Order: sequence, then structure tokens, then C-alpha cells
Amino acid sequence: QSALTQPPSASGSPGQTVTISCTGTNSDVGANNYVSWYQQHPDKAPKLMIYEVSKRPSGVPDRFSGSKSGNTASLTVSGLQAEDEADYYCSSYAGSNMLFGGGTKLTVL
Amino acid sequence: QVHLVQSGPEVKKPGASVKLSCKTSGYSFTTYGITWVRQAPGQGLEWMGWINSNNGITDYGWNFQGRATVTTDTSTSTAYMELRSLRSDDTAVYYCARLGLLKTLFGVVIIPDGFDIWGQGTMVTVSS
Repeated sequence: QSALTQPPSASGSPGQTVTISCTGTNSDVGANNYVSWYQQHPDKAPKLMIYEVSKRPSGVPDRFSGSKSGNTASLTVSGLQAEDEADYYCSSYAGSNMLFGGGTKLTVL
Repeated sequence: QVHLVQSGPEVKKPGASVKLSCKTSGYSFTTYGITWVRQAPGQGLEWMGWINSNNGITDYGWNFQGRATVTTDTSTSTAYMELRSLRSDDTAVYYCARLGLLKTLFGVVIIPDGFDIWGQGTMVTVSS
């Protein structure tokens, strides 16, 4: 089963809003609401930012939001800050298998 | 405070096996599952498998079925992941992470979403 498809890069200036997409199929993203997003800074472990499509764990700023339409999930970061510069990965349950996207490098200009 | 502390770096030859540990603290071990995810140098994340710490039921990614085994020791709140027949492309950082369990009419099942706490990672290098 192929990985989920993410754009390799995204960018925005401080204060702007950026949206990262994650495209799968009707066997994974489109089949359930088990879509998560992770933030990873260089040489650090990933950090959970969004789970079940749009839920935020405690401690994650409300500048981060998630949504889904059909087979595509999205992560939106509003009010961009310098510390948001990182790699972002989506994941989806695919029936006895978990898929990750290839990752998107978010640059804050 | 919840912590997952992983074992130290490993260097193995092709064909060998490696067994990594993930010691947990700060929560009731059998009320969450443990999953393993790896990341090759400069690459993305790859799911390997998980274990329901409540009943020991496991599931594995298609690339790891028959080659990886995830176990737990509830007496020490520690999870283990063994990977056999190592190849050079198994060189990666291996992470353990916690995931939720749900009590249902059919028993306790894994919630396949939201790996909320991660270990620091273990570097495994496979080289002749």
C-alpha cells in the first residue's frame, strides 16, 4: 500500500496562514476519521498535533487545526510563528495498517 | 509525568537480529498500547506494528510481518521490538510511542490513531 501524498514543501511569512494537504484513497483517509498530524523538528521525536481529523491534544496551540474532505485531509497553521518551522507528517488508519505521508517541510520566511 | 525511555544505539551486521526496549513510566501500562515507528536517515516515518498492552494482541505493517515481533513485560512496564534478518536498509532511528485503548463489548481494542507520547528514538546501524 502506498504512502499518503503530501507536498514536499510549504512556506509562509510570520502571521500568515498555511495549509498542508494529505491525499489518500477511500481505503484509508476516506474510510474513517483516524487521521493524525505530527510535527517533527530536526533530530527530535515527532509530536502529535492533531488526531481524529480535527482534535487537538492538550498543550497544542489552537493555531493548529485539521479537517478532511473525501480522501484528502488538511492541516492548517494560522498566525505562523518561527517555531512552527518543521517537518509535518500525516497518518491514517488503513484497516490493520497505518500509513504515513511522505512529509512536508514547512518554512517560515 | 509520562515518559518512554528507549535503549541505546545498536550496530549490527547484515543477517543479525536486534531487540530494542522502551521503558514506560508515569501511567498505568496496561491501559495504553505501544507502537513502533522507524525513520531512515533523511526519510519519512514508517509504521512497523503495535501491541495492545492489555491483552498482548499485536498487528504489524505489511513490510514487517514475519520479521518483526513486538512484546511487553507488564511487570516492568516495558515494551520490546525485535527485528530479524537485518539488511542495510533497516538502518534507521526506531521510535516507540503510546496509543490509546478502548473498552468495548468485545474486549479492549486499540484506537488506531494519535500516538501521543514518543520515546527519544534508538539509532540502529546495519553494516558489514
